[in-house]
Amino acid sequence: DQQVKQNSPSLSVQEGRISILNCDYTNSMFDYFLWYKKYPAEGPTFLISISSIKDKNEDGRFTVFLNKSAKHLSLHIVPSQPGDSAVYFCAASVGGNQFYFGTGTSLTVIP
Amino acid sequence: EAGVAQSPRYKIIEKRQSVAFWCNPISGHATLYWYQQILGQGPKLLIQFQNNGVVDDSQLPKDRFSAERLKGVDSTLKIQPAKLEDSAVYLCASSLTGLPEQYFGPGTRLTVT
Repeated sequence: DQQVKQNSPSLSVQEGRISILNCDYTNSMFDYFLWYKKYPAEGPTFLISISSIKDKNEDGRFTVFLNKSAKHLSLHIVPSQPGDSAVYFCAASVGGNQFYFGTGTSLTVIP
Repeated sequence: EAGVAQSPRYKIIEKRQSVAFWCNPISGHATLYWYQQILGQGPKLLIQFQNNGVVDDSQLPKDRFSAERLKGVDSTLKIQPAKLEDSAVYLCASSLTGLPEQYFGPGTRLTVT
């Protein structure tokens, strides 16, 4: 039972444009959401997070949006840079426990 | 600040053999996690420790997998006996108490032949 889904396995974006990565979830008990970035042969690196009491969180070029009614979150990267090319995972948790990860979206930023 | 350390980085074993992975979390991080990431999938939480106590092991196949965190610092994950479907990257992560942001190690890639 996949509680966190990333339906786009891959995404290609031109350098300087916006990248939008999407994530859907099914469990309404999730109260914290995170995005991780992963390069080959490395562990995931924490990128940005959002609590369920908020609908937006920004950190530099990265913004996460949460739509609780739709059980949907998205990560916006503006402007996209070649160094952003990586696999992005969204994750969700209940009370800081029971972490569930999506299957990842591979982002390629074309110079 | 040193990151999460894991060893070995790679391991190849035959099915029915045993294997153990080691993890040293970031200093001061009381919460430690073990994940299994099968190729093409996201990480799946196997077990979560708070200090040396188990918080969640609901997805740990307890007939063959075991984990311990003696003294609330280092941790080991063991598989005995291994099956072909255990081939995966095993990731260790740690976090500060009360904060869900986790810091991952580089992982151990296990191949079972």
